[in-house]
Amino acid sequence: NAGVTQTPKFRILKIGQSMTLQCTQDMNHNYMYWYRQDPGMGLKLIYYSVGAGITDKGEVPNGYNVSRSTTEDFPLRLELAAPSQTSVYFCASSYRRESSYNSPLHFGNGTRLTVT
Amino acid sequence: KNEVEQSPQNLTAQEGEFITINCSYSVGISALHWLQQHPGGGIVSLFMLSSGKKKHGRLIATINIQEKHSSLHITASHPRDSAVYICAAIPIPQGGSEKLVFGKGTKLTVNP
Repeated sequence: NAGVTQTPKFRILKIGQSMTLQCTQDMNHNYMYWYRQDPGMGLKLIYYSVGAGITDKGEVPNGYNVSRSTTEDFPLRLELAAPSQTSVYFCASSYRRESSYNSPLHFGNGTRLTVT
Repeated sequence: KNEVEQSPQNLTAQEGEFITINCSYSVGISALHWLQQHPGGGIVSLFMLSSGKKKHGRLIATINIQEKHSSLHITASHPRDSAVYICAAIPIPQGGSEKLVFGKGTKLTVNP
């Protein structure tokens, strides 16, 4: 199994450009999450989804959009990129809402985004 | 102020040493995760605890919910243990993984 796959690994955007970060999981997990990790800070939740067709805002949703048309895919859309969105982005998934020893969080390898 | 505090922020050890990383939190929680972030950036889930102690190989995690404190111990440390270790808590009222509050991480370097 591939687990959680994120693409691209690196990207440089100019201010005002848009892009989509792709996230796919092959574990049939219902729950998927997008986090951003800024230097010296803890991971912050951007958006999450509890199943296909259902998404909800996390702690820092402004400037982002998501969709969940299938169980496998959870893309993150950046519209009108700003320097404040320079960060490392992680997608994650879990089988159950309450992660447990038998249902841990699975993370992708991250996308390093720079907006200049 | 982050609700989840980790100490130390940075830790350098010699191979073979016993390592302790601490995590404290200011709110009531239902469970806590320990994660490992490799130098290449990937994050792996190590433990999820709601009480007591869990052990996996050379890694031991403990938690005292009442004292709002958790520790991650590494016995016989090895250079391959070099990574950032992150604790993440699920605050009460009951929530799921969408409610995780992350610490800033402890960067561990184990020298040969």
